[in-house]
Amino acid sequence: DIQMTQSPSSLSASVGDRVTITCRASQSISSYLNWYQQKPGKAPKLLIYAASSLQSGVPSRFSGSGSGTDFTLTISSLQPEDFATYYCQQSYSTPSITFGQGTRLEIK
Amino acid sequence: EVQLVESGGGLVQPGGSLRLSCAASGFTFSSYWMSWVRQAPGKGLEWVANIKQDGSEKYYVDSVKGRFTISRDNAKNSLYLQMNSLRAEDTAVYYCASLKMYYDFWSGGWYFDLWGRGTLVTVSS
Repeated sequence: DIQMTQSPSSLSASVGDRVTITCRASQSISSYLNWYQQKPGKAPKLLIYAASSLQSGVPSRFSGSGSGTDFTLTISSLQPEDFATYYCQQSYSTPSITFGQGTRLEIK
Repeated sequence: EVQLVESGGGLVQPGGSLRLSCAASGFTFSSYWMSWVRQAPGKGLEWVANIKQDGSEKYYVDSVKGRFTISRDNAKNSLYLQMNSLRAEDTAVYYCASLKMYYDFWSGGWYFDLWGRGTLVTVSS
């Protein structure tokens, strides 16, 4: 199985900060990497697919990059509604797919 | 309205069974691969199972193989998860989700698009 490791596991930041979350795959997954945002008690919401494609309706302050084994999710200027948990997910090893363990983004 | 609504969760004893349902509306359910994804309390997301549009292909995470069965009824716009021999470690919120293709399923070019709100399964004596 492909293991997905996110760092950091938690992060404290302030409104207006630039934040970067990293996701590393245990083997190359090309660009088959998606990012989701989850708020407490809610279902996950897709932010980025194919490593760098912004989902329709998602604010442009979110961006994704990377390929192979190393990927990043960047929020250019944190807004109050961005405080949530973020997950990466690889679809390279379809049908067996895996998520990262999550990164909890908290208000400093 | 485009939505998925899960039901059927609850408290069950270890070794027991439960059947989850997911009702789809507002889109052409029969055109989509569908999945179940779970989340244990305070933990991350774990993919559980996938099913092809016509139900002819089904895939499972190793930890549920032989115990869980995914199925669908396209005439009823419904997805199901039959869970047998339940264990404490199956305790989780179970979400149904549709897969959106940007390439094709086997290339890996897809993502989880629409999600339900989830249904809680608690396995405890």
